[in-house]
Amino acid sequence: GEDVEQSLFLSVREGDSSVINCTYTDSSSTYLYWYKQEPGAGLQLLTYIFSNMDMKQDQRLTVLLNKKDKHLSLRIADTQTGDSAIYFCAESNDMRFGAGTRLTVKP
Amino acid sequence: DTGVSQDPRHKITKRGQNVTFRCDPISEHNRLYWYRQTLGQGPEFLTYFQNEAQLEKSRLLSDRFSAERPKGSFSTLEIQRTEQGDSAMYLCASSSNRDTAYEQYFGPGTRLTVT
Repeated sequence: GEDVEQSLFLSVREGDSSVINCTYTDSSSTYLYWYKQEPGAGLQLLTYIFSNMDMKQDQRLTVLLNKKDKHLSLRIADTQTGDSAIYFCAESNDMRFGAGTRLTVKP
Repeated sequence: DTGVSQDPRHKITKRGQNVTFRCDPISEHNRLYWYRQTLGQGPEFLTYFQNEAQLEKSRLLSDRFSAERPKGSFSTLEIQRTEQGDSAMYLCASSSNRDTAYEQYFGPGTRLTVT
């Protein structure tokens, strides 16, 4: 069946760039999303990309989409301790989410 | 508007009891979604409404689960004869079909513990 997969953990130093990767199988999804979840809080939409785009930049966030390989990534520039959270990618067709990548930012 | 709200935030119940959760979406959002999230997993889609019509239900939604959105505003999710496997965070989200990508805005969730 269709699936969305992410690596579970990522650790970076403050000020470095973080790259969170996601692969998906449903090529019919129109939009792909990135959400952030902090402890005890609901999911917060960070950004999304339309499936016919390759890249989208929004301040410190850059989303890259390789539709051929069904690979999505989220790059966070100048990562801060406040970016520590779980990041989920999701696809629009069935609103299927990955299991989330826990980002830890070390000072 | 203060965003999506859910009530209660926490619910502890004994196996076999019925529980009902409420979600108030962002006003004027015509779509409302229910998800379930267990520890270490992403949200799993349960069902969604467009206005008062329930348009899609996941196979995860057994016949013990029922959701309503009677006036196209708030929604309720009821679980009958709860089982320990129902313990999870139940998330509600809303979106507007006026938004380009139908971006969903999530509530804080209701954490259900079945003992």
